[in-house]
Amino acid sequence: DADVTQTPRNRITKTGKRIMLECSQTKGHDRMYWYRQDPGLGLRLIYYSFDVKDINKGEISDGYSVSRQAQAKFSLSLESAIPNQTALYFCATQEPGPGTETQYFGPGTRLLVL
Amino acid sequence: DQQVKQNSPSLSVQEGRISILNCDYTNSMFDYFLWYKKYPAEGPTFLISISSIKDKNEDGRFTVFLNKSAKHLSLHIVPSQPGDSAVYFCAATTSGAGSYQLTFGKGTKLSVIP
Repeated sequence: DADVTQTPRNRITKTGKRIMLECSQTKGHDRMYWYRQDPGLGLRLIYYSFDVKDINKGEISDGYSVSRQAQAKFSLSLESAIPNQTALYFCATQEPGPGTETQYFGPGTRLLVL
Repeated sequence: DQQVKQNSPSLSVQEGRISILNCDYTNSMFDYFLWYKKYPAEGPTFLISISSIKDKNEDGRFTVFLNKSAKHLSLHIVPSQPGDSAVYFCAATTSGAGSYQLTFGKGTKLSVIP
């Protein structure tokens, strides 16, 4: 079984709709992240969480919100989807502390906003 | 302002030859560097990393070289295999207990020709 799972894997929605992307992990890591990938732009950080009570904005948080329901679950919501939010979305986890810089990624969710 | 740059969007190499992927960074606070490999329809997977206290790290066919004075790192794959065909992302961070954000380059698509 995969350590980091994302649902759904693909989603088509319409402009103005609210949608939620979910991420679950079995790695026992405290830190979780949401990234988006656009063609030619690499991965950019949307939000991150160091534990259930800690949520922080990343580089491109406008138009997004998150919820950390438990150590293992971190959800990303688009309150009112717009076409330029069409992208690949990745969740990642990380252990805290020095020497643990590596992040582990889920398989991604491909989102199309019409 | 791109802090991590991968200036070659694509690279083609013959099977069995060496693949060299390059990455430059501008932020002198970065002291830990990672390479990720990404296949289509999958999330990025960690490949190899290097701390700024080293100038070389090797793992099987993969070697990463770091030139701090030039703010440049490179990933060498020897020998290249068709299964190495993927997009490779360079990422950088500031290590330590407070580190959280990986800054990614835009990626280089490697094609290994049989």
